[in-house]
Amino acid sequence: QLQLQESGPGLVKPSETLSLSCTVSGGSISSSLNYWGWIRQPPGKGLEWIGTMYYSGSSKYNPSLKSRVTISRDTSKNQLSLKLSSVIAADAALYYCARLEEYSYGQYYFDYWGQGTLVSVSS
Amino acid sequence: QSVLTQPPSVSGAPGQRVTISCTGSSSNIGAGYDVHWYQQLPGTAPKFLIYGNSNRPSGVPDRFSGSKSGTSASLAITGLQAEDEADYYCQSYDSSLSGWVFGGGTKLTVL
Repeated sequence: QLQLQESGPGLVKPSETLSLSCTVSGGSISSSLNYWGWIRQPPGKGLEWIGTMYYSGSSKYNPSLKSRVTISRDTSKNQLSLKLSSVIAADAALYYCARLEEYSYGQYYFDYWGQGTLVSVSS
Repeated sequence: QSVLTQPPSVSGAPGQRVTISCTGSSSNIGAGYDVHWYQQLPGTAPKFLIYGNSNRPSGVPDRFSGSKSGTSASLAITGLQAEDEADYYCQSYDSSLSGWVFGGGTKLTVL
């Protein structure tokens, strides 16, 4: 059974960089069958796609966050990472990592999710 | 402002049928990208409910069904049960944004 576990500091100061990890067990993040993504959810609000890492190692980001986001991976640890620079109060959210499953050519959905990690932004 | 538009809330009595709409545009749903639905129970991570417009994974009751037409999609829930009370999100892909997009979410209340 695939499991995803997010981790990282629960509190980040404004203007600093948020760094989170997602450890995957029961499957490989290098598999050519899947992509991997980060999604966030501000308290009481909806879901926002942050970015996706392809099995090739390249990434695609939400245009609204593109200038501040970096998604990378450590295949030796089977971990996905998220870095968001110059954080502001609006970046406070529950951050999820999730797997993207291709069920038809070019069509993907998020089939496995981590339980999320809450990040607050405050000085 | 979400790229996909959902009603903020819907409600229904136990046993009734409710539908949740998801309206997109020619760069996402109307462009042929499929719609997927997720259920988020209070305090938990989202769980996929319907994929590829109308496909139900094993374990999801057949009370849940999805459809797509033009630039919109719908999730229907029949025989409402108290345990269905949750937030529901639609999701697709947008070619203009070159990325995955979600609806704003709909809170289902079982009266």
